[in-house]
Amino acid sequence: SQTIHQWPATLVQPVGSPLSLECTVEGTSNPNLYWYRQAAGRGLQLLFYSVGIGQISSEVPQNLSASRPQDRQFILSSKKLLLSDSGFYLCAYGQSNYGYTFGSGTRLTVV
Amino acid sequence: DQQVKQNSPSLSVQEGRISILNCDYTNSMFDYFLWYKKYPAEGPTFLISISSIKDKNEDGRFTVFLNKSAKHLSLHIVPSQPGDSAVYFCAASYTGNQFYFGTGTSLTVIP
Repeated sequence: SQTIHQWPATLVQPVGSPLSLECTVEGTSNPNLYWYRQAAGRGLQLLFYSVGIGQISSEVPQNLSASRPQDRQFILSSKKLLLSDSGFYLCAYGQSNYGYTFGSGTRLTVV
Repeated sequence: DQQVKQNSPSLSVQEGRISILNCDYTNSMFDYFLWYKKYPAEGPTFLISISSIKDKNEDGRFTVFLNKSAKHLSLHIVPSQPGDSAVYFCAASYTGNQFYFGTGTSLTVIP
């Protein structure tokens, strides 16, 4: 069966520190992978998506970057966190008939 | 540019009554629509879908209605239960993969 793992569940980081959130998918090959951020009043904002290894598309300019070093691994990073990076981050993979399957999310608080 | 909109950020309903959540979209090319349910600190989970060739899809207590001419869809929950209290997101797609999400409606079912 297909599953998606995302960690950590919660993270508190100081301003200016680096960030690395990891997402892995099992049970499927060459999935389309997505990073979303949920912010109050803005719903689910698409940050990055990837259709294959090394292929990253960015939807909005920001302080974050994404990488896909392996077929089923998607990483969200930042070199220096800002207060405005706080939020709930979700990884997802795409299924054409059923939309997306989401990970359990990471609550990031930048202090 | 928000292509999918949920204009009601919150909704309160008595247990046993009907909950109606609304969603509007602007892109007439959207041909597949979904509703997701999200509990706090968890990833969204797929609830129900509808394609543009239909105007209604029913699954147990959940029914989604699509009005293409009005570019409007709605989710009906009958009867509403306290466990239905969550944030509901609608999403739309025209590529079969990339979905655009609304801002969410927080439903509270009062026992």
